[in-house]
Amino acid sequence: GENVEQHPSTLSVQEGDSAVIKCTYSDSASNYFPWYKQELGKGPQLIIDIRSNVGEKKDQRIAVTLNKTAKHFSLHITETQPEDSAVYFCAASRLHGSGNTGKLIFGQGTTLQVKP
Amino acid sequence: DVKVTQSSRYLVKRTGEKVFLECVQDMDHENMFWYRQDPGLGLRLIYFSYDVKMKEKGDIPEGYSVSREKKERFSLILESASTNQTSMYLCASSPQGMGEKLFFGSGTQLSVL
Repeated sequence: GENVEQHPSTLSVQEGDSAVIKCTYSDSASNYFPWYKQELGKGPQLIIDIRSNVGEKKDQRIAVTLNKTAKHFSLHITETQPEDSAVYFCAASRLHGSGNTGKLIFGQGTTLQVKP
Repeated sequence: DVKVTQSSRYLVKRTGEKVFLECVQDMDHENMFWYRQDPGLGLRLIYFSYDVKMKEKGDIPEGYSVSREKKERFSLILESASTNQTSMYLCASSPQGMGEKLFFGSGTQLSVL
């Protein structure tokens, strides 16, 4: 089955710097890759996702890139702010034709700390 | 906004007890999920349901069961709680055709003593 590895487990950056979190997946049939952000005391929240027919997607200060050949994808946060401090999870799944999909497999999580 | 409500934020139980974790969503979503979250292991899927009275095993179903009698409610049951089930439990829902876009509850931190 699918396996998702996420690195680093912790990341500390200075406010205004960029942060990059990387994930690799094992199942070449996976074609959907979301990122979730979990703030303290809350459940994870979807922040951005990408499908395998797209190499990059951007939403304001966050972007995700996908390399299907190498089977890895990354989250990029630019101009980091203290409110970006949270745990970030990547995930992968295989979309079925009907849209009702298989399971999301999550990475181990990255704790991002943005120092003011 | 979608709201996924988990009945308890913190729960302390003793080994051997039967434990019920309740989850309710208010957006008429077809799909509901139970995950457990452990440090260094990420989120692991316990059970999920695509319809009322329907359930499917996730990656770590051993020691758990679920119930979905109504569309909005998905319950996780620990038949006989053990210390290795001490964890954060997260419920999620997603609409039909968007099975990947999960909306999570705030979680229940369960401690089994």
